Amino acid sequence: AQSVTQPDIHITVSEGASLELRCNYSYGATPYLFWYVQSPGQGLQLLLKYFSGDTLVQGIKGFEAEFKRSQSSFNLRKPSVHWSDAAEYFCAVGSYNQGGKLIFGQGTELSVKP
Amino acid sequence: NAGVTQTPKFRILKIGQSMTLQCTQDMNHNYMYWYRQDPGMGLKLIYYSVGAGITDKGEVPNGYNVSRSTTEDFPLRLELAAPSQTSVYFCASSHRASGGTDTQYFGPGTRLTVL
Repeated sequence: AQSVTQPDIHITVSEGASLELRCNYSYGATPYLFWYVQSPGQGLQLLLKYFSGDTLVQGIKGFEAEFKRSQSSFNLRKPSVHWSDAAEYFCAVGSYNQGGKLIFGQGTELSVKP
Repeated sequence: NAGVTQTPKFRILKIGQSMTLQCTQDMNHNYMYWYRQDPGMGLKLIYYSVGAGITDKGEVPNGYNVSRSTTEDFPLRLELAAPSQTSVYFCASSHRASGGTDTQYFGPGTRLTVL
């Protein structure tokens, strides 16, 4: 079955520390992979996406993610977290042949300590 | 360019009432989607549309109906509201180009409570 797993429900990091949010997927077709961020009371905003090519992708707000096909992973990273990064982060997977439909993970809530 | 707009922002319904959640996009996107978000559950696809006049069920369609008479609008209707439909509802749209660029753009959401 197609699925996306974000193993960490809640992560707390100190401001200025590095961050890695994990995402693993199970998908039959060649995946398109996305990371979205949701601030409290807001809709989802795209951080970055991977369709093909270079497996290290850069996104907005200083985020990057690396696609590792052998591990079925697409982990999100940031070298230095800012207090404004506190939000919920969703990983999603889709493919060209799925009518644009995405499968979302359950989300990881990020808290940032001063 | 407002993007994806949703109305209302909040709504409380009584069991058995009906309502329509409105969604409009001004990006001329051909694909539109409705999701519900329950705490700790991520987003689940309710219905989607690949163009005016064409809709299809997603993962959790029961209790909902949709229509797509124009490119811009994709309303979601709840006919007999139930407490299990208490959730936050998000509308999204995307442009399906030949390269399959399926980035979805989301509205701000509608928070619905059924009592």
